[in-house]
Parts: sequence; structure tokens; C-alpha cells
Amino acid sequence: KQEVTQIPAALSVPEGENLVLNCSFTDSAIYNLQWFRQDPGKGLTSLLLIQSSQREQTSGRLNASLDKSSGRSTLYIAASQPGDSATYLCAVRRGETSGSRLTFGEGTQLTVNP
Amino acid sequence: DAGVIQSPRHEVTEMGQEVTLRCKPISGHDYLFWYRQTMMRGLELLIYFNNNVPIDDSGMPEDRFSAKMPNASFSTLKIQPSEPRDSAVYFCASSLLAGGANEQFFGPGTRLTVL
Repeated sequence: KQEVTQIPAALSVPEGENLVLNCSFTDSAIYNLQWFRQDPGKGLTSLLLIQSSQREQTSGRLNASLDKSSGRSTLYIAASQPGDSATYLCAVRRGETSGSRLTFGEGTQLTVNP
Repeated sequence: DAGVIQSPRHEVTEMGQEVTLRCKPISGHDYLFWYRQTMMRGLELLIYFNNNVPIDDSGMPEDRFSAKMPNASFSTLKIQPSEPRDSAVYFCASSLLAGGANEQFFGPGTRLTVL
């Protein structure tokens, strides 16, 4: 059974810092990995999706890497801003079809202090 | 597109009452997912549909839970009778069958409180 773990559970940093969020998964046979952001009381917003054949994806100040063989992914946020404060979740998909199950980590709650 | 639409956004009900949550997926998406999020268990997949047909309902906790998708633009998740332990945020998500990156797009969720 796939298990996804995110460390740390919570992180508080001053504005402007670069930071790394970690995600690990127990079964390396994944199709892709997706990072989401969740604001309090809101739904999930997809940030980046990395296919199993890829090593990283970038969007603006965000960079996600994937090391499938070791079961790890990182989300790097450059020059953090208070607006980045949210919970960040990673999720892995096992199969190729859209319907295959997404397994989520429990999230890292990020606070960026002005 | 307005994205995935869920209603109601908040629901407070008493134990034993029937609860119906509603979802409108993004137009053209072939897959629809229902998730439940709690502090204790995180985000869990309850059931998903492909072309309006339920494919995997192994995450549905009990017979008190049922989900339907009568057409491509509407789905319901029903809890009857509701219990306090059903209190959670319920998310609906949708995705395309093929092409792109198969990303799932989430609705804003329904926060359910069962007293």
C-alpha cells in the first residue's frame, strides 16, 4: 500500500527566504506526482505535476524535483512571500489513466512572516 | 470555465438527518472524484466516476454513503443517516480522460458538520 509522508508538518520562515518542502513515498512505481496548495477553507490548487520520466518541473518561483528510485520529491520555493502561506500537499498517482488513485500526504503548513 | 462547482459550501445538520452534497465538474472532463478531508486521516478518495459510471467505490466508508452521477455535468454524494464522525470537508474534483497531464482540478469543498 502506497504511503506518502511530508516533512516538516509545519514551517515558519521570514519573508524572502528560500525554502524546501519534502515529500517521500514508499512505492516507487508511480506514474506521476502532483504538488497542490490549499488555502484555509478553500479547495486544492494544482501547482506542478511531474511525470515519472521527468526529474523536475518549474513554474515561476516554484521548482519541483522527483527522484523516483529513492521515493522522494521536493518543492523549492524561492524568495518566499507572505502570500505563499498555505498548506502544501503532494500526491502520487499509481497508474496511467486519469482515474487511478491519487494518494496524498498530510501536507506541510507554511507560514511566511512579513 | 468556472471550475469545479460544489454546493452547499457549508452544511450543519443533526445526527440522523440525510445530507446531499452536489458537484458540477468542469465541462468536458470525463472523470469525477469525491474526496473527504479530516484532520485525523487527511485527504481520502471515496469514489470516482468515468463517463458517469462508478469505477472504484472502495473508499466509501459505509453503506450510509452513496454517490450518483446521473449525467456528465452533475454528481451527488449522499449520507443517510448522518453521524457526527462524518463531519469533514468533502471535495469534488474532475479531470480529462486523456491528453495533457491528467491533472485533477478541485472544487472549493463542502464543510459538513454533523451535531
